[in-house]
Amino acid sequence: SQELEQSPQSLIVQEGKNLTINCTSSKTLYGLYWYKQKYGEGLIFLMMLQKGGEEKSHEKITAKLDEKKQQSSLHITASQPSHAGIYLCGADTGSGTASKLTFGTGTRLQVTL
Amino acid sequence: KAGVTQTPRYLIKTRGQQVTLSCSPISGHRSVSWYQQTPGQGLQFLFEYFSETQRNKGNFPGRFSGRQFSNSRSEMNVSTLELGDSALYLCASSPRTGSYEQYFGPGTRLTVT
Repeated sequence: SQELEQSPQSLIVQEGKNLTINCTSSKTLYGLYWYKQKYGEGLIFLMMLQKGGEEKSHEKITAKLDEKKQQSSLHITASQPSHAGIYLCGADTGSGTASKLTFGTGTRLQVTL
Repeated sequence: KAGVTQTPRYLIKTRGQQVTLSCSPISGHRSVSWYQQTPGQGLQFLFEYFSETQRNKGNFPGRFSGRQFSNSRSEMNVSTLELGDSALYLCASSPRTGSYEQYFGPGTRLTVT
């Protein structure tokens, strides 16, 4: 099984609707990172969470970290077509180096008009 | 500052051949990490170079190798290509080794036939 599970794998929402993506780790989390990727392109860093209970927001995107559940959620409010893409969570599960992140398999988001 | 650049963007090779991919980091960044992204395995860490030395390595066979030059530019080489090596190869640059602050390039899409 995957060390980092994302759900759902894909999501289609109507413009203006809210949505949530979850990322669950089978190991202790020492840091959780959210990225966005346009199909076939590089990753764009969204935000980093390091402390249990930490919550960060960037424009209409909010991410939370539940250290006890080893889980993070990414919530988009009032989705727009520009939010479409693949959302990836990356985690430091004690590899000893931040550059060796483990990534989830991604959630593909489509926003319909 | 210019972003991370990768060349070529697309490549088609035949099984058994070898391939070299190039990555130019953001000016001033001395760390370059390489990742392989496939639909089945997701995004996986290959290796990281800092100041011309390999600092970290993922779980890939020895057919995958890399190097970094004095100007921080990096190349990765895959010898004896297999069909399963078809993937998007991403590089990320960072100002420091082991840093979470990574900036990704657009990737090189390699197809092995």
